Amino acid sequence: DAGVIQSPRHEVTEMGQEVTLRCKPISGHNSLFWYRQTMMRGLELLIYFNNNVPIDDSGMPEDRFSAKMPNASFSTLKIQPSEPRDSAVYFCASSLFGGGGNTIYFGEGSWLTVV
Amino acid sequence: EDQVTQSPEALRLQEGESSSLNCSYTVSGLRGLFWYRQDPGKGPEFLFTLYSAGEEKEKERLKATLTKKESFLHITAPKPEDSATYLCAVHSGGGADGLTFGKGTHLIIQP
Repeated sequence: DAGVIQSPRHEVTEMGQEVTLRCKPISGHNSLFWYRQTMMRGLELLIYFNNNVPIDDSGMPEDRFSAKMPNASFSTLKIQPSEPRDSAVYFCASSLFGGGGNTIYFGEGSWLTVV
Repeated sequence: EDQVTQSPEALRLQEGESSSLNCSYTVSGLRGLFWYRQDPGKGPEFLFTLYSAGEEKEKERLKATLTKKESFLHITAPKPEDSATYLCAVHSGGGADGLTFGKGTHLIIQP
């Protein structure tokens, strides 16, 4: 049974470049979440979608960050332009019924380094 | 604003030495408290969900309990393979639909 699939697993890019992270949620799940993990701040919710619609993007740190979910099986998180402080692990997660006490399952993460 | 505090930040135990990890939380209407395990280089792996005070759940050497202010993850006779970071998270009625996480307890079990 396939879990949440993220790509790329690792990305090293130069400051100012555009970064696109990709996610395929678990089939049948109707909620998708993007989290960022750093040593200092732990896991932080960036944005989440219900039925492909962005519900809450208050965690997106700046306008340089954007996320889309064009269909139920694909989402992207884009950073443009990237900065060294964006270096972190970005996790995509999915669940049924928008969380609400239901289990949220995580992908393996995309490790981003901006130099 | 939902808050989750985990303690200790790190814990080193000998194999077989039982202990407990603490998760204190402040939420506006708890809809669920979650425990996850995270291995290095991996995503968080779901362990338990607790919904109401007094609830307990067990899985192998792990048992999670919940009160109105905190949750404990009890580890009985741990083995080296239990070494990981254990994350606590809450889902509340007043916040975003995602989970609010603590910073985790890094557990090392020495053989």
